[in-house]
Parts: sequence; structure tokens; C-alpha cells
Amino acid sequence: ILNVEQSPQSLHVQEGDSTNFTCSFPSSNFYALHWYRWETAKSPEALFVMTLNGDEKKKGRISATLNTKEGYSYLYIKGSQPEDSATYLCAFIPNRDDKIIFGKGTRLHILP
Amino acid sequence: ETGVTQTPRHLVMGMTNKKSLKCEQHLGHNAMYWYKQSAKKPLELMFVYNFKEQTENNSVPSRFSPECPNSSHLFLHLHTLQPEDSALYLCASSPLVRQGLYNSPLHFGNGTRLTVT
Repeated sequence: ILNVEQSPQSLHVQEGDSTNFTCSFPSSNFYALHWYRWETAKSPEALFVMTLNGDEKKKGRISATLNTKEGYSYLYIKGSQPEDSATYLCAFIPNRDDKIIFGKGTRLHILP
Repeated sequence: ETGVTQTPRHLVMGMTNKKSLKCEQHLGHNAMYWYKQSAKKPLELMFVYNFKEQTENNSVPSRFSPECPNSSHLFLHLHTLQPEDSALYLCASSPLVRQGLYNSPLHFGNGTRLTVT
């Protein structure tokens, strides 16, 4: 059974501070990795789809990096704002025809 | 506003009831999914449909019965559920692209919060 680990499980960050968290996955096979943001009472929203080792993607204050050889991806948030409070999900696909495997998420709380 | 709509938002049902969850997408996608989110567990894939054909059944008990009449609609029929089936059920859709299902992100609905009493 393949596991996708996200750490930390929960994180409290002061408004204005920058933060980052990790998604770890088996490095033996890699097809794609997704990041989603899931706000309470809303639907998960796609942030990034990453497919190449060394990929760096950016969307506003949020960016992500990918290292497929060592099996991790980092999500960075610069200058945290209250609206960044959400659960951030990572999802890993080892091969083209495999099903997507979600991590349990990192719950981010932005403190005013 | 999400392009994937799920109804109802909340559902309470007894173990002997029959109910259905509905999902509708207006994004022109060809693949639709049912996911289950239980407390403190990761999102768990239940079913996948590509062009109305079921391509994945992730060992889901037969008390859950999916139906996909067309590429825009997906149902989950529920019958004689157990209390442990209480969870958030999410529908998602994605384009079916030549490179594979997951080169594009999933688009999720808001989910149905199901409670089985």
C-alpha cells in the first residue's frame, strides 16, 4: 500500500509570516502530484499539478516545488493572510493508469 | 462558484432507508468520481467513470451503487447503510486527456454530509 505523508498535521502561523509544509511520497515511481486547498464548508480547490522533477509553480503568494528523486514536494505561503486558513491536500499518482492517492492534509490556521 | 454541484448538502438516514446522492457538472468533463472523506482519514476513492463507463470500483461494498446516465450526471444510490458509512461524500470531475486522467486537476463539489442512524 502506497502512503502519502503530509507534515505537519496542523500548523498555526501569525498573520504576515511565511510558512511551508511537506508532502512525502514513494520515490520509486512518479507520474504526477497535485496540491489542493480546502476551506471549511467549501469544495477542495486545485492549486497545482506538478509532473516534472524540479518543477516550481507559483500562484500569487503560494508556490510549490517538486523533487521526485527524493520523494517530496514543498508548499510555501509567503506573508500569510487570514484567507489562507484551510486544509492543504497533496495527492500523488505513481503511474499513468494508477488511482490518485491523497494525504491526510495539513491544517493551516492563520492567527490575527 | 464551483462547476460541480452536489445535492443534498446534508442527509440523515436510517439503516433501512434508500436514498440517492446527486452530482452534476457543467464543465464539459468526461470523467467523474465519487470520494469518501471519513474523520481523520485521507480522501478515499470509491468509483471512477470515464465517458459514462465505470473504470474503477475501489472494493466498495454493494450497499453503495453508482449510476452515470451521461457525462454530466453522477448518482450514488444508498441502501441499508451502516453507521460507519457516515462521512462526507465528495463528487469530482476532470477532463479525460490523452496523457491520462490525472494530468489535469480534479474539480470537486461541496460534498454531501451523510449521517446514518
